[in-house]
Amino acid sequence: EDKVVQSPLSLVVHEGDTVTLNCSYEVTNFRSLLWYKQEKKAPTFLFMLTSSGIEKKSGRLSSILDKKELFSILNITATQTGDSAVYLCAVGGAAGKSTFGDGTTLTVKP
Amino acid sequence: NAGVTQTPKFRVLKTGQSMTLLCAQDMNHEYMYWYRQDPGMGLRLIHYSVGEGTTAKGEVPDGYNVSRLKKQNFLLGLESAAPSQTSVYFCASSFTLGPNTEAFFGQGTRLTVV
Repeated sequence: EDKVVQSPLSLVVHEGDTVTLNCSYEVTNFRSLLWYKQEKKAPTFLFMLTSSGIEKKSGRLSSILDKKELFSILNITATQTGDSAVYLCAVGGAAGKSTFGDGTTLTVKP
Repeated sequence: NAGVTQTPKFRVLKTGQSMTLLCAQDMNHEYMYWYRQDPGMGLRLIHYSVGEGTTAKGEVPDGYNVSRLKKQNFLLGLESAAPSQTSVYFCASSFTLGPNTEAFFGQGTRLTVV
């Protein structure tokens, strides 16, 4: 059975801190790993990763995939209160089915 | 830009009642999905569709049915609602199957079964 585990489950930091969110997976026929940010409502897309070692960056956010060790990290530098959200990791495997982790709830305090 | 639109946004059902959730997308996406999200948990795939007229079971399909009669619409039906189906339901669409490209999500439907 495909499995995606995110850690930590929740995290509280202060503005300006740097955070690292983890996503490990066991998926048959891995195809890609995606990160989403979910605030009050719908998840919104952040990154898609398919190759090991290639960092994706968008402003203060960056992510990298390690297909040998089966994990990905999402880094957020100089955090702001607007970064407070649930961060979801999803992995695509056999037959195109996707498996989501339970998410990491990030709270950034002023 | 409408993107993915779900209706209704909220609904309360009594046990045993039936209802249909509607998802519409205007991006000409082939692939559409229905997920449920429970407190403290990620998204679990209920059913998905790879194109008009086709549907397939996801991770948690029991108690739900779906139809994709038109490319832009994906309907999720509950024939006999149960309290265990209390959840937030998200519809999504994408160009390709699974998260090989980004999925676009609707705003969610909060369903309570009493």
